[in-house]
Amino acid sequence: DAGVIQSPRHEVTEMGQEVTLRCKPISGHNSLFWYRQTMMRGLELLIYFNNNVPIDDSGMPEDRFSAKMPNASFSTLKIQPSEPRDSAVYFCASSPRTEPNEQFFGPGTRLTVL
Amino acid sequence: AQKITQTQPGMFVQEKEAVTLDCTYDTSDPSYGLFWYKQPSSGEMIFLIYQGSYDQQNATEGRYSLNFQKARKSANLVISASQLGDSAMYFCAMSSISSNTGKLIFGQGTTLQVKP
Repeated sequence: DAGVIQSPRHEVTEMGQEVTLRCKPISGHNSLFWYRQTMMRGLELLIYFNNNVPIDDSGMPEDRFSAKMPNASFSTLKIQPSEPRDSAVYFCASSPRTEPNEQFFGPGTRLTVL
Repeated sequence: AQKITQTQPGMFVQEKEAVTLDCTYDTSDPSYGLFWYKQPSSGEMIFLIYQGSYDQQNATEGRYSLNFQKARKSANLVISASQLGDSAMYFCAMSSISSNTGKLIFGQGTTLQVKP
């Protein structure tokens, strides 16, 4: 079975540009999570969805960040406009919402904003 | 509010020896789950082991075991017979079962280096 798929794996962009990160969760999982990992702040939960509905977006840093989940097999995280401080590794994870509620992580997208 | 604390930024262990990575947590939830993840230098997050707060027995998965002490609110990871491939960053995490959100709160991580 395929795991969580993220694209692109690496993204280098210039400040001010729009960035879109994509995620395909594991089939049958009905929770999806977006995390950001930096050296300074560690792993931070940005937003999560249950059954395609955003449940908690309190971790989204500011209005420049937005996330959507139009269907059970696809989610996007968009940053517009991007800034150098957004440089980080962005992980998507999915979970079946059954005990033990283990989250399966994608390989991550390494974003560099110049 | 939930909180996970990993007080060891870095640890060294000799190959074939056992090592304990510390994790303490704070929560007011009556029912919760505790997880350990491994992040090697390649960057992926790998699930290792899970302990439910209601489990009577400590969880074990191969060379990994979780030393769960509920009264002390600690969930230390024990790796037995360390291998060079165990060198990685290790994260402790917690979720609330009673709220059933599936949301994980992570600690800051511990970097483990296994010496040959």
